[in-house]
This record gives sequence, structure tokens and C-alpha cells, in this order.
Amino acid sequence: ELKVEQNPLFLSMQEGKNYTIYCNYSTTSDRLYWYRQDPGKSLESLFVLLSNGAVKQEGRLMASLDTKARLSTLHITAAVHDLSATYFCAVDNSGGGADGLTFGKGTHLIIQP
Amino acid sequence: GAVVSQHPSWVICKSGTSVKIECRSLDFQATTMFWYRQFPKQSLMLMATSNEGSKATYEQGVEKDKFLINHASLTLSTLTVTSAHPEDSSFYICSAILDSNTEAFFGQGTRLTVV
Repeated sequence: ELKVEQNPLFLSMQEGKNYTIYCNYSTTSDRLYWYRQDPGKSLESLFVLLSNGAVKQEGRLMASLDTKARLSTLHITAAVHDLSATYFCAVDNSGGGADGLTFGKGTHLIIQP
Repeated sequence: GAVVSQHPSWVICKSGTSVKIECRSLDFQATTMFWYRQFPKQSLMLMATSNEGSKATYEQGVEKDKFLINHASLTLSTLTVTSAHPEDSSFYICSAILDSNTEAFFGQGTRLTVV
């Protein structure tokens, strides 16, 4: 059974600080996804990481993938209040995308002024 | 990115009735669509995988007779919750893929409340 573990599950931080969310998974998949979810809303795709060593950045968020360690990180730089949300990582249930995704439990991020 | 539309966005129904949720890929033909369920403050759990013209594949623990899935075309999948009960109240989210090598695109979700 594929397992995807995120930590921390809850994070309260101050604006301007840096922090990292970790995502460990148990499969050999080379693809990993990061999503953002705002309360009452569906998922917003943040990053698609397709290979070992992949690093992608968008604004204050940067995601990386280490397939050998089966670890992905989502790094937040100089956090701002607008980044408050729940962040999920997810992995394909099979080598491709035809079998759906397994999600981590999510990291509920609160950024305080 | 590609657009996946769900309808309705929210629905309230009485216990014992059935409710249908539609998932449409608006600008691409989806070989496969997926249905997820998300309970409050929890993660998304895959319920079933749906391919056009064939029977859906349900995840372990999901009752196929309760959650009827029809994928009649490459742009439409429907989920019917039959004989709904309050414990079926949840956020249902669909996603669709063009093929196994492309990322999934998610609908906006349907909030189901059974009273």
C-alpha cells in the first residue's frame, strides 16, 4: 500500500520567516505533485515534479524532489499572510497517472502578521 | 491549464434520496476521470477510477452500488450517490487526465450535505 506522509500537519508561523514542509512517500514513483487548498475550495496545482533532482520555484514557494530518498520538500521563503492555506503533496498510484493519486494528510499553514 | 467543471457546486438533499454530480472536461478529451472524497479537515481519498465506455474501478471500502459512476463520453463522468445518508455528507472532487503521462486537472468540487 502506497503511503504518503507529510510533516508537519499544522504550522503557525510569522510573516517574514522561512519554513519547509516535508513529504515522504513509499513508492518508486518519479512524479510528485504539490497542491494548495483554500477553505471550501478545490485544489490549486502548485508544482509538478517529474524527475529526481527536480526543483521548481514560483514566487515565495520552491519545491524539490529526491526520488532516491523518496522525499519532496516545499520551502516557503519570507512568508506572507496570503500563503495561509492547506498544502498537500500527492503521488501517482502507479508509474503513470492512470490510477489516480494518493495524497498526504496535508499541512495546515497559518501565517500571522 | 485545462478546465474541469463540476456541477453542482453544492447540494443539499434529504436522507434516502439520490443525488447526481457531473464532472466535465471542457477543453480536452479525458481518457480517465477520478472521483475523490474529502471529509472536513481531512485529506482527499480516491473513491474510483472511471474510463469512458467501461465499468469504473472502485477503491477498497467504497460501495459500488451506493456510488454509481457513469462515464458515457470522453468529456463527462457522473457520480450518483444513491440512498444518501448524513454520513455521505462530504466534499466530492473529480479530476481528469488526457493520458497517463499528463497531470490531472481538478474540478471545483461539490459540497454534499444530507439532512
